Amino acid sequence: AQSVAQPEDQVNVAEGNPLTVKCTYSVSGNPYLFWYVQYPNRGLQFLLKYITGDNLVKGSYGFEAEFNKSQTSFHLKKPSALVSDSALYFCAVRDLEGGSTLGRLYFGRGTQLTVWP
Amino acid sequence: KAGVTQTPRYLIKTRGQQVTLSCSPISGHRSVSWYQQTPGQGLQFLFEYFSETQRNKGNFPGRFSGRQFSNSRSEMNVSTLELGDSALYLCASSLGYEQETQYFGPGTRLLVL
Repeated sequence: AQSVAQPEDQVNVAEGNPLTVKCTYSVSGNPYLFWYVQYPNRGLQFLLKYITGDNLVKGSYGFEAEFNKSQTSFHLKKPSALVSDSALYFCAVRDLEGGSTLGRLYFGRGTQLTVWP
Repeated sequence: KAGVTQTPRYLIKTRGQQVTLSCSPISGHRSVSWYQQTPGQGLQFLFEYFSETQRNKGNFPGRFSGRQFSNSRSEMNVSTLELGDSALYLCASSLGYEQETQYFGPGTRLLVL
């Protein structure tokens, strides 16, 4: 069964410091992995995805994520956090072996990131 | 390109009523997926439509249904509303192939009283 875990409900970091939001996944085949961000009363905004190739993926707004197959992880990172990065972050996976689950994303519970000035 | 649009943005209904939500995908996108977001259950997949056919369905009761039109616009319907149906309903569109990103609309906030 496919699943995603975000082990931290909340991450707090000072502005200017690096941030990491953790994600681990479980799939039966090879994964497609995604990060989304949600601001209050808004939909999900796409940040980046891993399909294949380089394990370090660069995305929008200075975010990047590192795919680690042996640890089944896909952690989101940013070298220098901004107050405006404060939001709810979701990791999601699509299982390539899913066949009939082609259009379906499995989401983690979300991590609330707070960046204080 | 315009993004995914959803109407209405907010809705208040009473138990037992039914509701229809609408989603217009990004131009050229043929796949529309629906998700329910609640504080308790998080983001849960409802169903996906591709070229007017339901391609995938989540674990929701039959009260939840959907359809897709020839212009790729999609509607979802919830009949006999229950208090637990109060949620943010998100629609996402994509080209419909496995590598493609799903882009989400702003959602419809449904409150059932």
